[in-house]
Amino acid sequence: GAVVSQHPSWVICKSGTSVKIECRSLDFQATTMFWYRQFPKQSLMLMATSNEGSKATYEQGVEKDKFLINHASLTLSTLTVTSAHPEDSSFYICSAREGEGPQPQHFGDGTRLSIL
Amino acid sequence: AQKITQTQPGMFVQEKEAVTLDCTYDTSDPSYGLFWYKQPSSGEMIFLIYQGSYDQQNATEGRYSLNFQKARKSANLVISASQLGDSAMYFCAMREGATGGFKTIFGAGTRLFVKA
Repeated sequence: GAVVSQHPSWVICKSGTSVKIECRSLDFQATTMFWYRQFPKQSLMLMATSNEGSKATYEQGVEKDKFLINHASLTLSTLTVTSAHPEDSSFYICSAREGEGPQPQHFGDGTRLSIL
Repeated sequence: AQKITQTQPGMFVQEKEAVTLDCTYDTSDPSYGLFWYKQPSSGEMIFLIYQGSYDQQNATEGRYSLNFQKARKSANLVISASQLGDSAMYFCAMREGATGGFKTIFGAGTRLFVKA
């Protein structure tokens, strides 16, 4: 089945550091990728939608200068948390979809980000 | 406005019995898809089952079935013959068509506990 690889799985870093998370579709071309954030014991909240070669569309309330998204190819999207602070600590999950049809989104295994 | 509602924060079921996890949704888009995902404590999102808005029959995948009642806008997940490994968080999700930007949004989730 379709595989989405997300890296790294764990990040612990100091406040003020910028952190980059990669999301790769390994065996299909992802026209659209999504980034979600999940706080403990809560649901997945969509942060942004990215389409290859164009600017990401951010959900209301998500700071685009804080969470930089790049979707440079059909198999790679990156999320950079700039100047991270403790309140940015969360579980970040990417997902990818091959087309606009009824295919399910395939999820990466998530990245646990802890800012000290 | 909440588009996906899961009213059961937690559910208990005896091993080998069936359990129904509730989900209601709200959309004005005639074309949409409904999904159920399982999230174990390790965090990865596991796709379980899909139901399209135009599908005439309820979806089934092994021990999972989706009780789709379009007029009531409900899409309950039925797990038959529960196993200890079914203990996890379960999310109902919906993807609307063009009016929803083809984005997938998630309900708050239901934590299922399977008792031996």
